[in-house]
Amino acid sequence: AQSVTQLDSHVSVSEGTPVLLRCNYSSSYSPSLFWYVQHPNKGLQLLLKYTSAATLVKGINGFEAEFKKSETSFHLTKPSAHMSDAAEYFCVVSDPDNTGKLIFGQGTTLQVKP
Amino acid sequence: NAGVTQTPKFQVLKTGQSMTLQCAQDMNHNSMYWYRQDPGMGLRLIYYSASEGTTDKGEVPNGYNVSRLNKREFSLRLESAAPSQTSVYFCASRTYPRDRHYFGPGTRLLVL
Repeated sequence: AQSVTQLDSHVSVSEGTPVLLRCNYSSSYSPSLFWYVQHPNKGLQLLLKYTSAATLVKGINGFEAEFKKSETSFHLTKPSAHMSDAAEYFCVVSDPDNTGKLIFGQGTTLQVKP
Repeated sequence: NAGVTQTPKFQVLKTGQSMTLQCAQDMNHNSMYWYRQDPGMGLRLIYYSASEGTTDKGEVPNGYNVSRLNKREFSLRLESAAPSQTSVYFCASRTYPRDRHYFGPGTRLLVL
């Protein structure tokens, strides 16, 4: 069965410093992995998606994630945090049965301090 | 092109009442999904519909029913609401083969 584990429920950074949000996955197949962001009282927005074309995936708003098969990880990074990055972030894996079912991690709340 | 729309945005129910959450998409997608979001648990799949006329259970289907009325609309019904169903409900649809999901704005449901 597919699953994702987000290793931190809450991350706090200062504006202008790097962001690292950690995600480990469990999958029997070559997975499709996603990062979504949810700003307070808003819907979900796709940040980026990995589909085996390249291990380093660039997303929107300066975020990127690296797929490491040996470590079963898909960590999300950004070189310099903005106040507007404060939100909840979800690491997600797609069920390999091709139904499009998504399995979400528990979420990581990113706080950005001025 | 409105994407995925959901109604209502917010609803308060008493225990035992029934209601239907509506979802519609105007992108001609075959697949549609209902998720619930609870604090600290991410989103969990309730039901999904791979195409018009088909529906299947997800991870947490108990207490819910769904109807895929046509290609555009996928409704979620609570026959007898319980406080444990207090949650935020998201509808989504998916393109294929590009495998991109589009989420609605959500419905906040409070069951007293």
